[in-house]
Parts: sequence; C-alpha cells; structure tokens
Amino acid sequence: NAGVTQTPKFQVLKTGQSMTLQCAQDMNHEYMSWYRQDPGMGLRLIHYSVGAGITDQGEVPNGYNVSRSTTEDFPLRLLSAAPSQTSVYFCASSRTGGRNTIYFGEGSWLTVV
Amino acid sequence: SQQGEEDPQALSIQEGENATMNCSYKTSINNLQWYRQNSGRGLVHLILIRSNEREKHSGRLRVTLDTSKKSSSLLITASRAADTASYFCATDEGSQGGSEKLVFGKGMKLTVNP
Repeated sequence: NAGVTQTPKFQVLKTGQSMTLQCAQDMNHEYMSWYRQDPGMGLRLIHYSVGAGITDQGEVPNGYNVSRSTTEDFPLRLLSAAPSQTSVYFCASSRTGGRNTIYFGEGSWLTVV
Repeated sequence: SQQGEEDPQALSIQEGENATMNCSYKTSINNLQWYRQNSGRGLVHLILIRSNEREKHSGRLRVTLDTSKKSSSLLITASRAADTASYFCATDEGSQGGSEKLVFGKGMKLTVNP
C-alpha cells in the first residue's frame, strides 16, 4: 500500500517556466489537497478537492491550477513560476477532509531561480 | 488565514521528561487534530479529537480540548529522543466552512535531549 505518492521529490525551475507536481493516492480517498510549507509559516492550503471533477481554492491559490479527473490523481500546476513559489509542497488525502485522518506525501522541494 | 497557533514555538527537554504543547484557535470547530513532522519528511497523524470530546489518549499521548477557551493541549509523557520533531495542530473550519478544509498552525519544534 503506497499511500500518497508525490513526484518529483526535488525540482529547480527558472522564473517563468511551468511545471506540474504529480500526486497519486491508492486509498480510494475522496478528499485530496495541496499545501505549501514555508519557514515560520506552517502549512498553507493551496487547493483542495472533495471528489473527481470538484476542486476549490484554499488560502493561497494564486499562481496554481489543479484538476481532478480521477479519484486517484490530483496534479498541481505552476503556470509561470516565480521565486515566491520556492517552497516545499505536500499533497494529502483523506476519506472526507477534516473529519478524518489526513495522509501526507513525503513532499516536493521546489526552487525557482 | 491560519486557525491554530501552537505554544511554545520551541521546547527543549531531557529524555524522560513530559512535554506539553498548547494550541489555540479562533473559530468554532468540529475536530482538532495533532500531527508530527520529522525533519525533511511529510506529516504524520497523531490523534483526532472531536468537539464533543474533552480528552483522548493514544499510547504516551494525551490530548485535551476546551472548546470554551478554544484551546487544546498535547502531552507527551516519558519523552524519548525519537520524539524530536515539529508538532502541528490542525482544525477544520467548523460550522462556517464545513469540514473539508484542514487548517494548520505554524508548528512547534520539540527537541528531546538524550
């Protein structure tokens, strides 16, 4: 049972480039979400989804796009990378959001130069 | 905006001592959760306490919830060096935003010295 899998683990981007962080879960969870973690800021919610075809914005959605075409996958797209998007990104899933345990991936370290 | 705020922000203790971390939040909640994060890793769920519960135990962990004070505490008894990590409280948005979003505090770093 792999749980929540994120790729890539590390990425360096140039300002203006676009990329997609991949997230997949094999627990048949309806709820998936993306957080970013910055020093001294804790985790901030970027986007979340309560099921296939449904997405919504979190606290810091600007500069990011998501889609949820399947229950398993929830990719995060950076449209035009900026140095302010240098961060550690975590994908998470759960059966029904905050009512249940949330399972996290191991993180993706992104540096924008 | 962030909901939970952990206190203290950093704590250093000796192995065998107890560690207490506090979390305060602003709006009504349905649930409050505690997570641990080892350096360079993802977050791991420790315990969930619902708004109608006052205390919960899991092994060496004891969590209390006081909804009148909008606060929770996490007690780790007989700490071990392996408990060294950052600890986060997380809340849903209660009756206002439903339970879909889980909002995290900034975290508290616990160091347990051997």
